Amino acid sequence: GAGVSQSPSNKVTEKGKDVELRCDPISGHTALYWYRQSLGQGLEFLIYFQGNSAPDKSGLPSDRFSAERTGGSVSTLTIQRTQQEDSAVYLCASSLLQGALETQYFGPGTRLLVL
Amino acid sequence: EDQVTQSPEALRLQEGESSSLNCSYTVSGLRGLFWYRQDPGKGPEFLFTLYSAGEEKEKERLKATLTKKESFLHITAPKPEDSATYLCAVQAAGGYNKLIFGAGTRLAVHP
Repeated sequence: GAGVSQSPSNKVTEKGKDVELRCDPISGHTALYWYRQSLGQGLEFLIYFQGNSAPDKSGLPSDRFSAERTGGSVSTLTIQRTQQEDSAVYLCASSLLQGALETQYFGPGTRLLVL
Repeated sequence: EDQVTQSPEALRLQEGESSSLNCSYTVSGLRGLFWYRQDPGKGPEFLFTLYSAGEEKEKERLKATLTKKESFLHITAPKPEDSATYLCAVQAAGGYNKLIFGAGTRLAVHP
């Protein structure tokens, strides 16, 4: 079946502009995650959505970052007033929680470059 | 603080030369340890989940093992197509679902 999809695959923007990144999870998956992968660094957790529960925003690096998930499916990560240090690959993952067991499946990522 | 350390950072092997990648972790109660493979320009691809010490999982030339402090990814008779970055991640107990990743091991297998 179809995996996690993300758009755009690449985004170049100017410092100070706002950007929106989109994630379409695997159909039926209730949990959705955003991670960031900076050059030479490991994946860093940003935010987590699970069903109708309040999202876990503990990984968002500043109040310029926000995310929403509409209708329990598609999610949008928004970065306002982008800075050069925001340049990274933004990865989305989804999972189907079954008790304590869970496997997160990742999309191909959006490569963001802030000039 | 929960932490994952992978070693070596990079590994170069000849085709057929078996080796192991290490993932050491410190976590306040392990819910699961995950191995992913990541090719350049792509998202991580799921390989294995390990839940308890002593557990082993195998897939083709890869075998993952788990102890209370570390996990190993053994690669037997690797081929050039096994070249990739291998990522280790842990999920902590206590209701936290996020994955905590190591920096990865870049594996290059030469013919």
